[in-house]
Amino acid sequence: GQSLEQPSEVTAVEGAIVQINCTYQTSGFYGLSWYQQHDGGAPTFLSYNALDGLEETGRFSSFLSRSDSYGYLLLQELQMKDSASYFCAVNGDSWGKLQFGAGTQVVVTP
Amino acid sequence: NAGVTQTPKFRVLKTGQSMTLLCAQDMNHEYMYWYRQDPGMGLRLIHYSVGEGTTAKGEVPDGYNVSRLKKQNFLLGLESAAPSQTSVYFCASSSPGQNFYEQYFGPGTRLTVT
Repeated sequence: GQSLEQPSEVTAVEGAIVQINCTYQTSGFYGLSWYQQHDGGAPTFLSYNALDGLEETGRFSSFLSRSDSYGYLLLQELQMKDSASYFCAVNGDSWGKLQFGAGTQVVVTP
Repeated sequence: NAGVTQTPKFRVLKTGQSMTLLCAQDMNHEYMYWYRQDPGMGLRLIHYSVGEGTTAKGEVPDGYNVSRLKKQNFLLGLESAAPSQTSVYFCASSSPGQNFYEQYFGPGTRLTVT
């Protein structure tokens, strides 16, 4: 079957580093995306990896290993505003269709 | 630019009633999508469209219909609502080409079916 697995919750203090892992098993794979969603809000795009390796965008980085069907999102210098749910999602084809994981709630404490 | 907008923001339906959710985007995107999100779960694709006049089924299409008569609008219909369709519905759009993977989401419609 098709599935994406990610931890349900991570708690960390301000200024810390958090890594959210995602393993996937899907029938098609173009790339792995990450989205952020604050409570009651719309998901917003964070990053995308089509090839193996690390992509860096400011305080956030994302990594992909296609051979291991594994990726992670790294949040550095955590801020209170980073408290949100983070979703990994597989782009299964060129039409952009997304299959989402269940999400990881990140709680940042003072 | 407003981006992606959804109408209505909230709605309560009785079992068996019908309704239409409207999604509009002003970014001239070819691709549009409807997702549902249930508590503690990720988004699941209901239907999608890769251009005006085209629609296709996603992961959970049963009980829903869609139409894309104009490029900027994507409508989601519930013909006979059921309590299992209580959810938050998100519309999204994207553009083919280099950044096809980046989807822009609307604010969501919170639907309760009693």
